[in-house]
This record gives sequence, C-alpha cells and structure tokens, in this order.
Amino acid sequence: GAVVSQHPSRVICKSGTSVKIECRSLDFQATTMFWYRQFPKQSLMLMATSNEGSKATYEQGVEKDKFLINHASLTLSTLTVTSAHPEDSSFYICSASGTENGYTFGSGTRLTVV
Amino acid sequence: QKEVEQNSGPLSVPEGAIASLNCTYSDRGSQSFFWYRQYSGKSPELIMSIYSNGDKEDGRFTAQLNKASQYVSLLIRDSQPSDSATYLCAVMVDNFNKFYFGSGTKLNVKP
Repeated sequence: GAVVSQHPSRVICKSGTSVKIECRSLDFQATTMFWYRQFPKQSLMLMATSNEGSKATYEQGVEKDKFLINHASLTLSTLTVTSAHPEDSSFYICSASGTENGYTFGSGTRLTVV
Repeated sequence: QKEVEQNSGPLSVPEGAIASLNCTYSDRGSQSFFWYRQYSGKSPELIMSIYSNGDKEDGRFTAQLNKASQYVSLLIRDSQPSDSATYLCAVMVDNFNKFYFGSGTKLNVKP
C-alpha cells in the first residue's frame, strides 16, 4: 500500500516552455502533498506544501508564479514549471502521507531544460 | 540555521561492521522523525520512523531519539555493500505541517 505515482519520469524541454509534473496517490487519499527539488549531490529542498482544495504554501525563495501547484483532488497534485530555464533543470520529487509511519515518495522527475 | 543537520560524509565502514549515522534538528516542536535511504538518481525510501525517546529496532536497523538533545541517530548492524547509499534524516514540524530533510550522509560499505 501507500504508492505514489509520479509522471513523467524524465522530460526535456526548450527554454521558455512550460512543463507539468503529476503526482498521484494510487491507493490512498492525500490531503497534503509535498514538492521537493534536488540538485546533484545535494539534499531534498522543500519547495511547497500542497493542500487539497486550497492554495499551496511556498517556502521562502520559491517563486509561486513560476512553480504553479494545483491540488484539485485527494489523489492528484500537479507542479507546473512555467517559462522554464536551464537553471530549473533538476530532479523534482513529490511525497504524500499514506500511513502514520511516514511519507511515501514518487519516483521523481528529471527535468532538463535546453 | 538549517532545520536538520547531518554530516555529509562519506562514512566508510567495512562489511559486517556497525555504521552510525547522526542527525540534529533545531525545532523543539518537532514530533516525528524519519530515516530515508536514497540511491543515486532514485527517490528516497523510508527505513525507519521514530516518535518517542529511546531506541527502536527493525531488523539490522536501530533508530535512537533524544528529544532533550535534539538528536536522532541510525545504527546499521552487519553492514552490507548494498547498504551503500545516502541516508537522509527527516523531521516533521507539526505546527506548520512541514517536512524537512537533512543534507544526507553518504555511506560506503567496503567488501
């Protein structure tokens, strides 16, 4: 149980375009999902907390107009990187709580902006 | 000050030895603590969770929590080469419903 599906796993896009990443909880309902970014050889950095039916809470320094988060249902949260630039290239990971014993992570999305 | 601090390592131990990984956190309101393992290019996977002071054992893994010292540790007994990975300490700050990670400690288990 507690499976989180993240799609796509890899995406290459041109600079200036937008990319949408989906995070789905497959066998449980997730009122809260988290979005992280991880640069090579660095730890996970919390970008935002996504709450179903309300606006996401962004961490300091994360541009909410650039990283659009939508949590329209209890099983789906999306992150859209708008007007992507090469410096946005990173590994993006979502997580959600399915049990009381911790949070389950999606498989991650490696974004490369060229 | 970072919410969660870990020594980046690398920590090298011989196969069969005990690996000790440490973590400190800054928010005294933290209630839940987790250890994750992350292989290169993969998402983290949960190893252990601990909520109260003391030790919690699960197979070869033992998590230790000391809230007074704001300290969490993970012991890996009989370390195997397959345990070589980066270990992330994570803390749930309940008041704000946030989940913070340390920078991770890279563990190398040498055959």
